[in-house]
Amino acid sequence: QQQVKQSPQSLIVQKGGIPIINCAYENTAFDYFPWYQQFPGKGPALLIAIRPDVSEKKEGRFTISFNKSAKQFSLHIMDSQPGDSATYFCAATYGNKLVFGAGTILRVKS
Amino acid sequence: DTAVSQTPKYLVTQMGNDKSIKCEQNLGHDTMYWYKQDSKKFLKIMFSYNNKELIINETVPNRFSPKSPDKAHLNLHINSLELGDSAVYFCASSQGLTGSSTDTQYFGPGTRLTVL
Repeated sequence: QQQVKQSPQSLIVQKGGIPIINCAYENTAFDYFPWYQQFPGKGPALLIAIRPDVSEKKEGRFTISFNKSAKQFSLHIMDSQPGDSATYFCAATYGNKLVFGAGTILRVKS
Repeated sequence: DTAVSQTPKYLVTQMGNDKSIKCEQNLGHDTMYWYKQDSKKFLKIMFSYNNKELIINETVPNRFSPKSPDKAHLNLHINSLELGDSAVYFCASSQGLTGSSTDTQYFGPGTRLTVL
């Protein structure tokens, strides 16, 4: 049973477009929601994260929107660039247990 | 200056063999982890060690045994390898001794294990 559901599985956008990746969770014990970015052949790296008492967090071109009542959160990438092409994982944590979504493969076409 | 390093990067072996993957972190972190990433890229935690003590032990076959000689190292030993063990294994570390949710986990580059 997947505790964090992520969609879509893959996404192709044109350069400058705004890809949106959505996630939903069930377990209300989760208390922190990071997003990780993974390039081919590399380990995942933290991109941005949000606490559940905040509805939106922005860092550069990356924005997380969080809806606690719906138990949903999403990642928006503004002005996407070919260098943003990677796999994106949403995640949820409680204690030091990190539970990942299934990942979204993003391709930004130039 | 590699923060979390793993060796080897690639490991190809026959079914039934025993193999080990080594992990070292130079970040001074107190907690280390092993994750498995399957062919569909799904990442799942296997183990977590906090200052050499096992904290998280997910439903993993007991053929997998983590060993932490000191807080900077967490090795993964796998006995009697099976075809289904083929995956990429990632080591990670985070700062807190108490395992705070907000501690960033830093991942190594991964070890691609192929069992023939």
